[in-house]
Amino acid sequence: GNSVTQMEGPVTLSEEAFLTINCTYTATGYPSLFWYVQYPGEGLQLLLKATKADDKGSNKGFEATYRKETTSFHLEKGSVQVSDSAVYFCALSRTQGGSEKLVFGKGTKLTVNP
Amino acid sequence: ETGVTQTPRHLVMGMTNKKSLKCEQHLGHNAMYWYKQSAKKPLELMFVYSLEERVENNSVPSRFSPECPNSSHLFLHLHTLQPEDSALYLCASSQTLAGAPQYFGPGTRLTVL
Repeated sequence: GNSVTQMEGPVTLSEEAFLTINCTYTATGYPSLFWYVQYPGEGLQLLLKATKADDKGSNKGFEATYRKETTSFHLEKGSVQVSDSAVYFCALSRTQGGSEKLVFGKGTKLTVNP
Repeated sequence: ETGVTQTPRHLVMGMTNKKSLKCEQHLGHNAMYWYKQSAKKPLELMFVYSLEERVENNSVPSRFSPECPNSSHLFLHLHTLQPEDSALYLCASSQTLAGAPQYFGPGTRLTVL
């Protein structure tokens, strides 16, 4: 079936550190891949997406590249800020019965300390 | 107001109460969704509506009853819930059922006593 596995958290970094959150997926066909972010007390916000192999999604300094050969979509940022503290969800979309469904990972909590 | 809004933001209810969660989207989207977010578990898709018609019900217990009176509004009616139903309930919308990202509301934090 379709599933998403992302690294267990929590992740704690100092400001300006490099961030990697690993995400791998299992899917039939060629899903689109997403990263969502959930700030404390808020809903999920779309951070970035990639719709085909070798696409790179980027937003707010975050990047992720759709790697079909390794079925991965790792999230990276070169220099994190305190304001990046949040829970990050990797997700894939699958089309079934004419509708697109999102399958989410369990989320990775990131805390950035000053 | 823009985006997807949900009310109330917090709700505490007893097991015998009846309450409703409300979601409104101001994006002109045609599809709306209810998700359940529990600690340590992936988001669970509960219901999907497209143009006010329910297109998916993921084996959700009947104590959860959705209603979609128009494409901008979505309700989740709750009755005789169990403590394990305590969770964050998220509403989302998308332009269409296929090929669009979903936009989420802030959620309703539900506690069942």
